[in-house]
Amino acid sequence: DTEVTQTPKHLVMGMTNKKSLKCEQHMGHRAMYWYKQKAKKPPELMFVYSYEKLSINESVPSRFSPECPNSSLLNLHLHALQPEDSALYLCASSVRPGQPDEQYFGPGTRLTVT
Amino acid sequence: QKEVEQDPGPLSVPEGAIVSLNCTYSNSAFQYFMWYRQYSRKGPELLMYTYSSGNKEDGRFTAQVDKSSKYISLFIRDSQPSDSATYLCAMMRLNNNDMRFGAGTRLTVKP
Repeated sequence: DTEVTQTPKHLVMGMTNKKSLKCEQHMGHRAMYWYKQKAKKPPELMFVYSYEKLSINESVPSRFSPECPNSSLLNLHLHALQPEDSALYLCASSVRPGQPDEQYFGPGTRLTVT
Repeated sequence: QKEVEQDPGPLSVPEGAIVSLNCTYSNSAFQYFMWYRQYSRKGPELLMYTYSSGNKEDGRFTAQVDKSSKYISLFIRDSQPSDSATYLCAMMRLNNNDMRFGAGTRLTVKP
């Protein structure tokens, strides 16, 4: 199973809502990532979990809160978002932290903040 | 200057053409060089990666890295309409999880 799954596929939320994005992989990968991608732009790294520990936080606003409950699951908790946070949120995983081989991206969650 | 520069295109070629996609970079610490393909409304798919300099071939795809010039290329031979997508170059330092992407080049292969 070489797949990263993400739910939901689409999410519309108001600025006062709290929601969560979920990512799952069962490939035994030990590094998992959250990226944000605006239309016609490349992905921007938000968070990296390496062996279930947060290793990089790219100065992301605190309204985004990551969580890695176990080696297969990655969550992104959202609270008090702004309309400019509307984007495609991509999860990725790789076999080993720090190496790109066998890195897989999920299909993304398309988030709209109203 | 951006760390990774990539011409966003768009690039349009006839079916069967050889496609050349390129990126330049400024950080000499990059050791891993990747090419991703992203179809509309999908996540990026890793096509090829190269460690340090040299060439790598996989079917119709060839990746080249010239570290002395800080220049990487992806060649697609016998291009097909199904190759129409955005191609992103990406780079990483050794043992570092921070991947830097180029802007992506949108390619259309016309039948």
